[in-house]
Amino acid sequence: DTGVSQDPRHKITKRGQNVTFRCDPISEHNRLYWYRQTLGQGPEFLTYFQNEAQLEKSRLLSDRFSAERPKGSFSTLEIQRTEQGDSAMYLCASSAWGDTQYFGPGTRLTVL
Amino acid sequence: SQQGEEDPQALSIQEGENATMNCSYKTSINNLQWYRQNSGRGLVHLILIRSNEREKHSGRLRVTLDTSKKSSSLLITASRAADTASYFCATDAGNSGAGSYQLTFGKGTKLSVIP
Repeated sequence: DTGVSQDPRHKITKRGQNVTFRCDPISEHNRLYWYRQTLGQGPEFLTYFQNEAQLEKSRLLSDRFSAERPKGSFSTLEIQRTEQGDSAMYLCASSAWGDTQYFGPGTRLTVL
Repeated sequence: SQQGEEDPQALSIQEGENATMNCSYKTSINNLQWYRQNSGRGLVHLILIRSNEREKHSGRLRVTLDTSKKSSSLLITASRAADTASYFCATDAGNSGAGSYQLTFGKGTKLSVIP
């Protein structure tokens, strides 16, 4: 049973560019979550999917952010017109219904 | 917003000693989970304790939960250098039975175990 995988692991971009991250959850996990973590802080919830439906979005998820999970399997998180404040670790997690969320290794974004 | 707050923020101990970390939270919860994070990496799930449980063990880990005080503690016994990491508590305040959809994390306790 493979764990949650994320791609890329690191991304450096210039301010104003668009970036897209991918998350592959543990197979058969119907719930998928995105979190953001800045240095010295704990992760903060961004959004979650149950199968292909996006059921909850945090106020942290501005209109420059969009997430999809088209077939209820992998998910993408896109950030448009990146800003320096978007620099963070973006973490994906999955779970079977509720309880334990299993996290991926994260994508570290640096916006120059 | 951060619901869980870990205490202390940093802890340095000698290998073989026990490490205790505390977590306080503000609202009613379904369950509380502890995670470990090595520097710059993803989170590893350690243990989940439900709101109707008071204590749980897993290997060298012991977690307690006091819902009346809205607090939890994580005890790592006989620590090893490999336990050096940040430890986070995360609360799930979702509707009972519906399972978690949003974990709220604290800022973590940075544990250093000196060989």
